[in-house]
Amino acid sequence: DIQMTQSPSSLSASLGDRITITCRASQSITSYLNWYQQKPGNPPKLLIYAATTLQRGVPSRFSARRSGTDFTLTISSLQAEDFATYYCQQSHSTPRTFGQGTKVEVK
Amino acid sequence: QMQLVESGGGLVKPGGSLRLSCAASGFIFSDYYMTWIRQAPGKGLEWVGYISGSGTPKYKSDSVSGRFTISRDNTQNSLYLQIDSLRAEDTGIYYCAREEGIVGAFYGLDVWGQGTTVIVS
Repeated sequence: DIQMTQSPSSLSASLGDRITITCRASQSITSYLNWYQQKPGNPPKLLIYAATTLQRGVPSRFSARRSGTDFTLTISSLQAEDFATYYCQQSHSTPRTFGQGTKVEVK
Repeated sequence: QMQLVESGGGLVKPGGSLRLSCAASGFIFSDYYMTWIRQAPGKGLEWVGYISGSGTPKYKSDSVSGRFTISRDNTQNSLYLQIDSLRAEDTGIYYCAREEGIVGAFYGLDVWGQGTTVIVS
């Protein structure tokens, strides 16, 4: 199985901060990497698919990059509604695996 | 609009069984792979398995293989998860989700239900 290692597991940030979350795959997944945002009491929401493509309706302050098996999600200027938990997931092969999540909290 | 609605969760004793359902609307159900994901209380997301639009292939995570059965009825636009020999560690929220893409190029879970809660105690 492909292991997805996400870091950090949590971070504290302030409104307007730029934050970056990293996800590393244990083997090549080419660009089949997706990012989700989950707020308490709600299902996850797809933010980015195919490593770098914003899902329709997702604000442009979200961006993502790929470098080999390393993937990053960046929020350029943190807004109040961005405090949530973020997960990466590979859709290259089965079983589809998720990272362990990164909780973004208010500093 | 596209919608998924799960049902069938509840409180069950260890060793019991449950059948979860997911009713789809607003899209051509048979065109999509459908996935079950679960989330234990306070924990992360765990991929349970998927089933193709036609019903074959389907795949389950090793952690649930043998006890969980995924099926679908395209005439009813419904997805199912049969869970047998329930254990305390099966407690959590069970989500169904639609997987966008085609064979060889899957692009994430773009439509999710609100989830149904299973408590094994």
